[in-house]
Amino acid sequence: NAGVMQNPRHLVRRRGQEARLRCSPMKGHSHVYWYRQLPEEGLKFMVYLQKENIIDESGMPKERFSAEFPKEGPSILRIQQVVRGDSAAYFCASSPQDKNTEAFFGQGTRLTVV
Amino acid sequence: AQSVTQLGSHVSVSEGALVLLRCNYSSSVPPYLFWYVQYPNQGLQLLLKYTSAATLVKGINGFEAEFKKSETSFHLTKPSAHMSDAAEYFCAVTLSTGRRALTFGSGTRLQVQP
Repeated sequence: NAGVMQNPRHLVRRRGQEARLRCSPMKGHSHVYWYRQLPEEGLKFMVYLQKENIIDESGMPKERFSAEFPKEGPSILRIQQVVRGDSAAYFCASSPQDKNTEAFFGQGTRLTVV
Repeated sequence: AQSVTQLGSHVSVSEGALVLLRCNYSSSVPPYLFWYVQYPNQGLQLLLKYTSAATLVKGINGFEAEFKKSETSFHLTKPSAHMSDAAEYFCAVTLSTGRRALTFGSGTRLQVQP
């Protein structure tokens, strides 16, 4: 049973480009959470999704950021027109149904904006 | 609303010495509490969790934590530090009802001196 898979592991984008981060949850998990970790800081919640639904996006910046978790395929975190301040590690976690006590984290995607 | 405070961003111990990493939380409803470990450029690995069962929780790698409601604390301990314990440790809280995302502390970097 593979763990939570995130790709790419490292992503470099120039200012103004788009970044697309992918997260494939563990088999049998239908809930996905995205977190952002800025250098030397803890993880900050961004968005919580179920299949085809956004449950809680209270941590998402109001502009340029969006997330989806389609019926088929991975969850996508999309950042449009990236700026240097978007440079961070983005982590995805998944859990079965609504059991947040059993969330497992992926290895993260490290985004660098140059 | 919930929050987590980790006292001490850096802790240094000698190999074989006691490890004590402090975590205090605030929560409007009974919390679930977690400790995660992060090695450089890696994702988060769950060490242990408290979900309203036994107040003394044992985790992996010899770590344990005690939930003390009166002190709103969930400190992480290990009797004897090993060099391989050097890493970043995060305490996190989520609510037993309502919002499901984790709220993380800012982390404690543990150094183990030979």
